[in-house]
Amino acid sequence: DAGITQSPRHKVTETGTPVTLRCHQTENHRYMYWYRQDPGHGLRLIHYSYGVKDTDKGEVSDGYSVSRSKTEDFLLTLESATSSQTSVYFCAISDLNTEAFFGQGTRLTVV
Amino acid sequence: DQQVKQNSPSLSVQEGRISILNCDYTNSMFDYFLWYKKYPAEGPTFLISISSIKDKNEDGRFTVFLNKSAKHLSLHIVPSQPGDSAVYFCAASGPNTGNQFYFGTGTSLTVIP
Repeated sequence: DAGITQSPRHKVTETGTPVTLRCHQTENHRYMYWYRQDPGHGLRLIHYSYGVKDTDKGEVSDGYSVSRSKTEDFLLTLESATSSQTSVYFCAISDLNTEAFFGQGTRLTVV
Repeated sequence: DQQVKQNSPSLSVQEGRISILNCDYTNSMFDYFLWYKKYPAEGPTFLISISSIKDKNEDGRFTVFLNKSAKHLSLHIVPSQPGDSAVYFCAASGPNTGNQFYFGTGTSLTVIP
């Protein structure tokens, strides 16, 4: 398995609170991604990074921000969590033109 | 707009038979296609890929076929085994995507013993 770790694995939070999910890799891959998985929607890209401090929006970026201050860490922040952000979040890593490897996922519930 | 589509949400197959999972895409610039397998409560795992310069790629029981003119790819699993029961996602990438991967909505495969 690729060296990719997500934390926490499970989280329950209240509406309106900030939440940060962490993705850590030991593979030194250039690209890192945050996806969310919802029934009927498959995997949708939230944000991705193509290098330290280089990030861009995906198709469902509203309400989310990211930061990448080191090659190995990619943080996803929900500034003010809403019930629509209840989902399973996956981090992935890849190099240019190669397959992506996924973490185990974080199940986030916003109540 | 969904650029990668899997129109069959589910598929059931008898053990030992062939499973065929289908995927369609709309962006003609995609040139790299992948299949992932996902078990419940786990992350997706990479299964097999194909680049647009090929029309077929095999890896053991898994074969991916690409029809560029129809913008269609398929995954064949022969013979199907109960352990193959999972959700399968197809994905696509291309030179104009910034190394982003676009995923379909998934097909849940059940292999019946």
